[in-house]
Amino acid sequence: DTGVSQDPRHKITKRGQNVTFRCDPISEHNRLYWYRQTLGQGPEFLTYFQNEAQLEKSRLLSDRFSAERPKGSFSTLEIQRTEQGDSAMYLCASRDTGGTEKLFFGSGTQLSVL
Amino acid sequence: QKEVEQNSGPLSVPEGAIASLNCTYSDRGSQSFFWYRQYSGKSPELIMSIYSNGDKEDGRFTAQLNKASQYVSLLIRDSQPSDSATYLCAVVGAGNMLTFGGGTRLMVKP
Repeated sequence: DTGVSQDPRHKITKRGQNVTFRCDPISEHNRLYWYRQTLGQGPEFLTYFQNEAQLEKSRLLSDRFSAERPKGSFSTLEIQRTEQGDSAMYLCASRDTGGTEKLFFGSGTQLSVL
Repeated sequence: QKEVEQNSGPLSVPEGAIASLNCTYSDRGSQSFFWYRQYSGKSPELIMSIYSNGDKEDGRFTAQLNKASQYVSLLIRDSQPSDSATYLCAVVGAGNMLTFGGGTRLMVKP
């Protein structure tokens, strides 16, 4: 499978715990995005990377959220001290800046904070 | 004001009818516009992109763009029950980021 993969698919955690999600983009894609989506809403931009550089981070993003893409390949998104309001689907997407602007989305990680 | 606005619906149309989905955006400098389809519990998938004023047709889908009015629409001809999904309008604006609207839920009734 050469699509965008995300792990885990589902995560249940207790309030106050830290969680980490992983995204493996399509191998030749140099740009990687993280979005968050709650029920009935469109995806909300969180951050994106060009290779290993984090170029933009949403001003709405709490400092409890951090993302890395250390070698310009896979990326991790960590949420510290989770809150119930963090419950959402976390979507990763990638694209090749040399091609079209089409984003390829992964299946997402559904986070539930109890 | 949200950057990209859509009527949340649901929009209900009978099978075989034309479904018309609308979207407005606030950033006048936006140059790229997209429609994504999202089935319940699935991730968004791109169905149309449009970059210049006018119409762009692809099969049963037609995207329409009017930059002066900051308006994008998607027409689905001969709607099928399998078209029932949420349709997300997305715009590339400032910072070269893709911003999504809240989506319109379409229901096509047999």
